[in-house]
Amino acid sequence: GESVGLHLPTLSVQEGDNSIINCAYSNSASDYFIWYKQESGKGPQFIIDIRSNMDKRQGQRVTVLLNKTVKHLSLQIAATQPGDSAVYFCAETGGSNYKLTFGKGTLLTVNP
Amino acid sequence: GAGVSQSPRYKVTKRGQDVALRCDPISGHVSLYWYRQALGQGPEFLTYFNYEAQQDKSGLPNDRFSAERPEGSISTLTIQRTEQRDSAMYRCASSLTAYEQYFGPGTRLTVT
Repeated sequence: GESVGLHLPTLSVQEGDNSIINCAYSNSASDYFIWYKQESGKGPQFIIDIRSNMDKRQGQRVTVLLNKTVKHLSLQIAATQPGDSAVYFCAETGGSNYKLTFGKGTLLTVNP
Repeated sequence: GAGVSQSPRYKVTKRGQDVALRCDPISGHVSLYWYRQALGQGPEFLTYFNYEAQQDKSGLPNDRFSAERPEGSISTLTIQRTEQRDSAMYRCASSLTAYEQYFGPGTRLTVT
């Protein structure tokens, strides 16, 4: 059957390494950005968010960087663990206060 | 506490039949969203409710699709005269604030 991985950018890392997942957006009106993690068979799970008046925000083991000049968003995961293996999506609001537009996901695979 | 629940989890129907998909949001969440997710893609916005009011239905593909949330809690997404192209994962999300949306496990619809 069809595999999700055939259509997604993929990132493969060793356990304990840091991971960086990138996302480009096109709507300059977007003022709010979110990273979601989606494990196989589950719905997207909120990880971290950032507003357009910030360029960096840190959570537990995760950091989101926002570069509005080039419309680029990144998610950094420190000390990546096997449980971090999933598809990661960035999403933005496009100026709306509720309608999320999701980017193309990235499949992260963590090798033990 | 309990998260967003959806039922049924899987639905197989014949082309031309009507289907109703149910979403039970997190208790107290005033906002409810329906998305559709194709394999390997991020969720795509369909419609949004604030309490019982449908605020935006711009993402509904055509007039065979409708949604309601009559008492401001449970919502139903109805697809009439289903077609094979309607086959997808249908996801519901709810939020307390405008932004942090919590997704349910989804209903996998297959139209044969």
